Amino acid sequence: KQEVTQIPAALSVPEGENLVLNCSFTDSAIYNLQWFRQDPGKGLTSLLLIQSSQREQTSGRLNASLDKSSGRSTLYIAASQPGDSATYLCAAFSGGYNKLIFGAGTRLAVHP
Amino acid sequence: ETGVTQTPRHLVMGMTNKKSLKCEQHLGHNAMYWYKQSAKKPLELMFVYSLEERVENNSVPSRFSPECPNSSHLFLHLHTLQPEDSALYLCASSQEPGLAGRGETQYFGPGTRLLVL
Repeated sequence: KQEVTQIPAALSVPEGENLVLNCSFTDSAIYNLQWFRQDPGKGLTSLLLIQSSQREQTSGRLNASLDKSSGRSTLYIAASQPGDSATYLCAAFSGGYNKLIFGAGTRLAVHP
Repeated sequence: ETGVTQTPRHLVMGMTNKKSLKCEQHLGHNAMYWYKQSAKKPLELMFVYSLEERVENNSVPSRFSPECPNSSHLFLHLHTLQPEDSALYLCASSQEPGLAGRGETQYFGPGTRLLVL
């Protein structure tokens, strides 16, 4: 059974710092791994999707890497801004009807 | 805006009430999902619909009854809920249900915050 863990659970940093959020999964037989952002009281916004054949994906200041063999993914946020404050969720897809297994999230606060 | 809307945004109900949550997607997608997000647990998949047919029921109690009348609309009918059912209920859609193995990006609605008294 796939389990997804995110570390740290919460993070508070000053503006401008480069950040690394960690995600680990127990079953390396995944098809892809996705990173989402959730703002308070709102739904999820897809940030990056990494297929199992890929090692990383980039979008603006965000870079996500995937190491299937070690069961890890990291989300790198460059030059953090207060607008990056949100909860970041990773989710592993192991097949079936698009059944994503989510981690509990990392709650990020970037202060001016 | 992700193209997925949910109503109501907030709902308070007693354990004997019957209510329904509504989800609508304007993206032309063929798959729709219900998720539950509790305060102390990760986001959990409840149901998956592909072309209006339920294809996944993730061991959800029968007091939750989904309905998908067409590919753009999804309902979650609630009856005789328990206080532990209080949570954020999220709807999502994707182009396809991901059977090909690649997985599809899912687009989420803002959710309905449910409180059961």
